[in-house]
Amino acid sequence: GAGVSQTPSNKVTEKGKYVELRCDPISGHTALYWYRQSLGQGPEFLIYFQGTGAADDSGLPNDRFFAVRPEGSVSTLKIQRTERGDSAVYLCASSLGGGITGELFFGEGSRLTVL
Amino acid sequence: GEDVEQSLFLSVREGDSSVINCTYTDSSSTYLYWYKQEPGAGLQLLTYIFSNMDMKQDQRLTVLLNKKDKHLSLRIADTQTGDSAIYFCAETPSNDYKLSFGAGTTVTVRA
Repeated sequence: GAGVSQTPSNKVTEKGKYVELRCDPISGHTALYWYRQSLGQGPEFLIYFQGTGAADDSGLPNDRFFAVRPEGSVSTLKIQRTERGDSAVYLCASSLGGGITGELFFGEGSRLTVL
Repeated sequence: GEDVEQSLFLSVREGDSSVINCTYTDSSSTYLYWYKQEPGAGLQLLTYIFSNMDMKQDQRLTVLLNKKDKHLSLRIADTQTGDSAIYFCAETPSNDYKLSFGAGTTVTVRA
């Protein structure tokens, strides 16, 4: 596709449920990032993939959060036993390489609401 | 994040200049960025500046960097209604690719 695509755009779930959020990056982009944006805040880094491997997962808040990118393209962010504090917009971004020039292309985000 | 601070709101008249300010604490910040977020849309990179530069101009946008004071500003000339959005300042140190974002400045352009 032309841009980074994220699904679902909105997800409402109950506390304790399992959730998967999908990111389809721009074709050919090897680097993929997940960020989380809480209400009234800027995005916070969660995890960075270079190809299939998670090069840095230091931003994942705890072991309920996990992300995969098995074929080096689409990525899935998985949240187990969701809590109300997990409610946020989850942003995915991709870039051509893993460099630091900030040329990240962001998707529109998946808004997660945990009741 | 707490390492990057911005004022929360700015209201400007159409046609005037907007100036959005940002301060950061990490002295190793190498790249500093301005992103724009419109309602229902993803973050869009507007411009970035390397820390050895004082100023960067790109059409209506002017970025000023005062590295001594760790102060970054974005000036939008001839502000238009389409400039209404949330503007995020972000930084990253030279050995890292993780961006640290401020909380964003909501710019409202009034006729």
